[in-house]
Amino acid sequence: EVKLQQSGDELVRPGASVKISCKASGYTFTSYSMHWVKQRPGQGLEWIGAIIPIIDTTEYNQKFKGKATLTADKSSNTANMELSRLTSEDSAVYYCAIYYYDGTYYYGFAYWGQGTLVTVSS
Amino acid sequence: EIVLTQSPTTIAASPGEKVTITCRASSSVSYMYWYQQKSGASPKLWIYDTSKLASGVPNRFSGSGSGTSYSLTINTMETEDAATYYCQQWSSTPYTFGAGTKLELK
Repeated sequence: EVKLQQSGDELVRPGASVKISCKASGYTFTSYSMHWVKQRPGQGLEWIGAIIPIIDTTEYNQKFKGKATLTADKSSNTANMELSRLTSEDSAVYYCAIYYYDGTYYYGFAYWGQGTLVTVSS
Repeated sequence: EIVLTQSPTTIAASPGEKVTITCRASSSVSYMYWYQQKSGASPKLWIYDTSKLASGVPNRFSGSGSGTSYSLTINTMETEDAATYYCQQWSSTPYTFGAGTKLELK
């Protein structure tokens, strides 16, 4: 069973950084790209970017360049996202999700983590 | 960036009623994907490749469309279908989502 287990909710001060993790299990970690999605309270979904673990290549939504840094640790099957210089606009739930392909179909975001709430407040 | 415009923003339907949600893209996309999200939960893949139902999705749901116009239809509304539905495109980065359609039970 594919599972994406995210780290716990965070309360952080404005100007600080925070690192969120997403531990994958139930599949070969290097087989699929890992994506990150932002959802502000009561709002829609925004794609932040993705990392391809097998080659450590990243792609970012231009809007999040300089804000988010994506990494992957193949030894622990964990993807990470660091958010820097946090402001109130960064308060949101952040999801990891894999772009799943079974050899025939591209399923899109077939598997999601449970979400990590980041609250930026002094 | 491809902008996806969903309509309506909110809709209320009675059990048994037919519901259609549309998603218009600012540029042509190859396929459309749909996700269902209930309050406090992660989104779930609902429809992929425009018209294929994800595992476990009831067959009262269907998806259709091409180019810049896509839709999700519920043939007969059921209580459990109340949720927010998002369309999403993979044709070009940044991968974008529609703003969502909140489907409520009347």
